[in-house]
Amino acid sequence: DTEVTQTPKHLVMGMTNKKSLKCEQHMGHRAMYWYKQKAKKPPELMFVYSYEKLSINESVPSRFSPECPNSSLLNLHLHALQPEDSALYLCASSQDSAGVKTGELFFGEGSRLTVL
Amino acid sequence: AQSVAQPEDQVNVAEGNPLTVKCTYSVSGNPYLFWYVQYPNRGLQFLLKYITGDNLVKGSYGFEAEFNKSQTSFHLKKPSALVSDSALYFCAVRSRGDSSYKLIFGSGTRLLVRP
Repeated sequence: DTEVTQTPKHLVMGMTNKKSLKCEQHMGHRAMYWYKQKAKKPPELMFVYSYEKLSINESVPSRFSPECPNSSLLNLHLHALQPEDSALYLCASSQDSAGVKTGELFFGEGSRLTVL
Repeated sequence: AQSVAQPEDQVNVAEGNPLTVKCTYSVSGNPYLFWYVQYPNRGLQFLLKYITGDNLVKGSYGFEAEFNKSQTSFHLKKPSALVSDSALYFCAVRSRGDSSYKLIFGSGTRLLVRP
């Protein structure tokens, strides 16, 4: 069972909608990540939060807006998306954002987003 | 620049036979190396990692991987494959000297174990 919980599992939205993806972990991890994954492709890093501060933005379009309200929660706000943004969005966490543990990520099961 | 190559899109193996999923990497400095597995419609699960020390690393579900510095490889192996091992496998690398938090993933290899 995954210890990173993502909601919703599936989301269908129009290009004018505003929606949010949510992610929660209770492992005491201090780094949290958003990845985007297209079918049969590797995950692509979008954002990294370290100790609740945004530390990496991989040049993601502003229609994706991350938020980290506290050390356990990570949101991804979606607005004015395009059909090509349809993908599996994966949240992950790690013990910290530096050092040996960094690469050992714990992933949620993902939110499958369809943009019509 | 850091990179990871998984040269095989798919590996087919019969149940009970040994399996190998290949991975080569390129980083500046010493690497941290990882294997993740993804089952259909699921997130990625951590399998094993190489940080330092013994070149043969043992991980979850009977998998192991061998770090070979001279060949810059980190192949995933299992002595006896199970049908339930069928999944998508990703190799990932991070340079020890990299101050970012970014893992570089390979393109993935689909493992199909036939009964």
